[in-house]
Amino acid sequence: AQSVTQPDIHITVSEGASLELRCNYSYGATPYLFWYVQSPGQGLQLLLKYFSGDTLVQGIKGFEAEFKRSQSSFNLRKPSVHWSDAAEYFCALGTYKYIFGTGTRLKVLA
Amino acid sequence: GAGVSQSPSNKVTEKGKDVELRCDPISGHTALYWYRQSLGQGLEFLIYFQGNSAPDKSGLPSDRFSAERTGGSVSTLTIQRTQQEDSAVYLCASSPSLAGGLGNEQFFGPGTRLTVL
Repeated sequence: AQSVTQPDIHITVSEGASLELRCNYSYGATPYLFWYVQSPGQGLQLLLKYFSGDTLVQGIKGFEAEFKRSQSSFNLRKPSVHWSDAAEYFCALGTYKYIFGTGTRLKVLA
Repeated sequence: GAGVSQSPSNKVTEKGKDVELRCDPISGHTALYWYRQSLGQGLEFLIYFQGNSAPDKSGLPSDRFSAERTGGSVSTLTIQRTQQEDSAVYLCASSPSLAGGLGNEQFFGPGTRLTVL
């Protein structure tokens, strides 16, 4: 079965701290994986995507994600969080449609 | 260029009324998707169009929901006899994918917030 799991519903970090958001997937072939961010009242914005090749993917706003096939994971990271990063983050598995995780809501403390 | 647009941005309706939600995809994008985002349910796939045909309608929750796409462009999602559980944000996305393309990046519109009283 195809699925995406984001184990953390809420995460709170202090501004300037590092961040890691977890994403695990289940898929029988090479996955196409995406991370999107949704700010309050806004649509979904693509942060980064993994199709093949390098397992460390760089995205916008200083985010990166690492694909680990052995762990079926695609975790999102940022070395230093800014207050403007507070939002909801969705991991998605791309077939011809997206299968989304349930999202992780990030709160940033000043 | 212009992104995906959706109208209306907000819709409040009474239980039992029909509603139509519109999506204008990015010009030239052959694939179009509808998703629903509701509390406790996350983001759910509803329907996928490739051109004007819908090879996957598996996510439509009931026969009260239907969608069409005309001219390979604009799409309308219709909900008949709305129920309170239909309250959600309805998101449209488009993609420049070829038929059957895997992993194509989807570009999302801002959504229509539907409230059924």
